[in-house]
Amino acid sequence: DVKVTQSSRYLVKRTGEKVFLECVQDMDHENMFWYRQDPGLGLRLIYFSYDVKMKEKGDIPEGYSVSREKKERFSLILESASTNQTSMYLCASYGGQGAPNQPQHFGDGTRLSIL
Amino acid sequence: LAKTTQPISMDSYEGQEVNITCSHNNIATNDYITWYQQFPSQGPRFIIQGYKTKVTNEVASLFIPADRKSSTLSLPRVSLSDTAVYYCLVGDITSGTYKYIFGTGTRLKVLA
Repeated sequence: DVKVTQSSRYLVKRTGEKVFLECVQDMDHENMFWYRQDPGLGLRLIYFSYDVKMKEKGDIPEGYSVSREKKERFSLILESASTNQTSMYLCASYGGQGAPNQPQHFGDGTRLSIL
Repeated sequence: LAKTTQPISMDSYEGQEVNITCSHNNIATNDYITWYQQFPSQGPRFIIQGYKTKVTNEVASLFIPADRKSSTLSLPRVSLSDTAVYYCLVGDITSGTYKYIFGTGTRLKVLA
């Protein structure tokens, strides 16, 4: 069974801090995603990566960056955290290059609060 | 951009069949339609996926008309444990790279 693990379930940080959210998957998946989920807005794609060191902007990349140095790990970075980045962050992955219709496997999320 | 539209919420009683419809007018030729279920404090979980006509698995059915501009998730004989948020998802490749466009979800409440 695929396991996508996010390093923290809950995280509290202060405005202006640099914040790292980590995600690890154990199925050798090529494709990894970061979403944020807010009430009434559903899931919105921040960034995704289809290979090591590759990244693509999603719908709302502003204020975020990502890092994919190893295949199994995809990190989301808030360069200077702001209160409007308080949200639930979800990581997902799926396998197969050129197979975008494969179902995504999600972690259980990190609830981030910026004070 | 492909965009999905779903009802915000639905109520049902145990044992009833529930149908949740998603509209996706701009779906591309090669896009599949995927449905996910999400419980509180958990990530979405894959339920079913289809391209056209009807797909059935052990938990749900998915009906897709010929024009593929909508799809209907059917949950037979729901129970209290089916109370969750349901998302439909289509891919979008209009920008040249594949992106996933989640809808805002349908909050299903199953009543005893």
